[in-house]
Amino acid sequence: GAVVSQHPSRVICKSGTSVKIECRSLDFQATTMFWYRQFPKKSLMLMATSNEGSKATYEQGVEKDKFLINHASLTLSTLTVTSAHPEDSSFYICSARDSSSGRSVNEQFFGPGTRLTVL
Amino acid sequence: GNSVTQMEGPVTLSEEAFLTINCTYTATGYPSLFWYVQYPGEGLQLLLKATKADDKGSNKGFEATYRKETTSFHLEKGSVQVSDSAVYFCALLYNQGGKLIFGQGTELSVKP
Repeated sequence: GAVVSQHPSRVICKSGTSVKIECRSLDFQATTMFWYRQFPKKSLMLMATSNEGSKATYEQGVEKDKFLINHASLTLSTLTVTSAHPEDSSFYICSARDSSSGRSVNEQFFGPGTRLTVL
Repeated sequence: GNSVTQMEGPVTLSEEAFLTINCTYTATGYPSLFWYVQYPGEGLQLLLKATKADDKGSNKGFEATYRKETTSFHLEKGSVQVSDSAVYFCALLYNQGGKLIFGQGTELSVKP
């Protein structure tokens, strides 16, 4: 149980285009999901907290108009990188927090990540 | 503020050697502490966790003890295998917003 998927796993796009990345909790409901960005050989940087049915909360320095987050259901959050540029190339990872009463509210489950390359 | 500091890598060991990866934290209140492992090209997997002082988390031969007095959560394994080669992240979670704060990661390479 507690599986999180991401789609696509890899994407290559041209500069100026937009890319959508999906994060799904496959066997549990997640009112809260998190989006991270990881640079090569670096730690994870939290970009934003995605809350089902409400606006995402962005970390300081993250452009909300650049990285659009939508959390329309209890099992799906999407991150759209708008007008992508080469400097947006990175590994994007999502995590989901299990909302069910049987789980520790502290536990997050991570997706496998999406490698974005902007040419 | 809240932060996590890990020993710098890469750490290179021979198979069956003893492993220690140091992790110290700064936090207000009583955070939960975690170790995550990331294999090449993959996302993060929870390795072990501890939610209060003196708790010991353990999994797959790895263990770490939540030491409040030294604000540490060092990861140890008695005998590493080649398959343990990965990047290990120490993290703390504080209740405000449920956000995880990660250390910088320590790359482990185990040679046969």
